Amino acid sequence: ELKVEQNPLFLSMQEGKNYTIYCNYSTTSDRLYWYRQDPGKSLESLFVLLSNGAVKQEGRLMASLDTKARLSTLHITAAVHDLSATYFCAVDLRQGAQKLVFGQGTRLTINP
Amino acid sequence: DVKVTQSSRYLVKRTGEKVFLECVQDMDHENMFWYRQDPGLGLRLIYFSYDVKMKEKGDIPEGYSVSREKKERFSLILESASTNQTSMYLCASGAPIKNIQYFGAGTRLSVL
Repeated sequence: ELKVEQNPLFLSMQEGKNYTIYCNYSTTSDRLYWYRQDPGKSLESLFVLLSNGAVKQEGRLMASLDTKARLSTLHITAAVHDLSATYFCAVDLRQGAQKLVFGQGTRLTINP
Repeated sequence: DVKVTQSSRYLVKRTGEKVFLECVQDMDHENMFWYRQDPGLGLRLIYFSYDVKMKEKGDIPEGYSVSREKKERFSLILESASTNQTSMYLCASGAPIKNIQYFGAGTRLSVL
């Protein structure tokens, strides 16, 4: 059974600081997704990582994938309040079939 | 813009009632999914469908069934609602080659 674990589950940080959210998973997969969810809203796709060593960046967020370590990271650079949200990683259990297993989510709060 | 529409944002039902949650997508996607979201557990896959009249169980199908009579519509059915089915339900759709799932706004169901 595939398990996807995020760390930390809660993160409170100050504006301007850097931090990293970790996503570990327990079985082989080379497709990993990051989603963002604002309070009361649905999930929005952030990044799709499709191979070992993949790195994607959008603004202050950068995601990477190490399939050998079964680890993905979401790095936040110089955080701003607008990035406050819950972030989920998800692993594709069946390659290309989009059968996703989600992590528990990381609730990120960025304080002025 | 991809649109995934769930018929209700909030529903309150009584124990034992039959409940229908409807989801419609407008992008001709082959794949459709139903998840439930509970605090600390992330999203868990209930059922998914790769084509009309096709369905496959996800990780937590017990107490649920689905129907997909048309490509754009995927319904989740709670045959006899129970209090432990109180949750947020999210529908998603996706095309295999695009590697992204698009989510609806969610239905918050309370079973009393």
